[in-house]
Amino acid sequence: AQSVTQLGSHVSVSEGALVLLRCNYSSSVPPYLFWYVQYPNQGLQLLLKYTSAATLVKGINGFEAEFKKSETSFHLTKPSAHMSDAAEYFCAVSGLGQFYFGTGTSLTVIP
Amino acid sequence: ETGVTQTPRHLVMGMTNKKSLKCEQHLGHNAMYWYKQSAKKPLELMFVYSLEERVENNSVPSRFSPECPNSSHLFLHLHTLQPEDSALYLCASSQAQRDSSYEQYFGPGTRLTVT
Repeated sequence: AQSVTQLGSHVSVSEGALVLLRCNYSSSVPPYLFWYVQYPNQGLQLLLKYTSAATLVKGINGFEAEFKKSETSFHLTKPSAHMSDAAEYFCAVSGLGQFYFGTGTSLTVIP
Repeated sequence: ETGVTQTPRHLVMGMTNKKSLKCEQHLGHNAMYWYKQSAKKPLELMFVYSLEERVENNSVPSRFSPECPNSSHLFLHLHTLQPEDSALYLCASSQAQRDSSYEQYFGPGTRLTVT
């Protein structure tokens, strides 16, 4: 079975500071991993995905995530937060025909 | 239109009403999904259609009835809903998959309020 755990339902960072959103996964098969972003009153938008081609995955809007099998983690980072990054972020895992989302992390960016 | 569209964007209905939510994808995908997003709860997968056949129904109450007439359209028919059904209903699409490596693309959602 697959599952994801997002550590921290709320994260606040100052504008220009590092963004780190944590995601740990559980999977009985090699996983496919995704990060999505949801802005208020909108659907989910794909930020990036890991499909075993490279452990460091670059996405849109300056985000990237690193797959670490030994730590079963897929944390999302961005070197410098921008006000427009304020949103809800979801980690997801898929495998064996199933797709599971985490509970989400709300990112606040402080001017 | 591009991507995944959903109508209406907002819906207020009484518990005795019957309404339908519509989803259309313009991406050439052949799998479509309905999700329910409630405040402070994880996304709940409600229905999956792959190649126009329902492949998953996660114990959703019968007051929700999906319909997928073709690979581009998906409906969610609603009747005799309860206040706890108030939520954001999201539609998504992807390529049909055995290994689930294909990402899902989401519509903007329908904000449903049951009074």
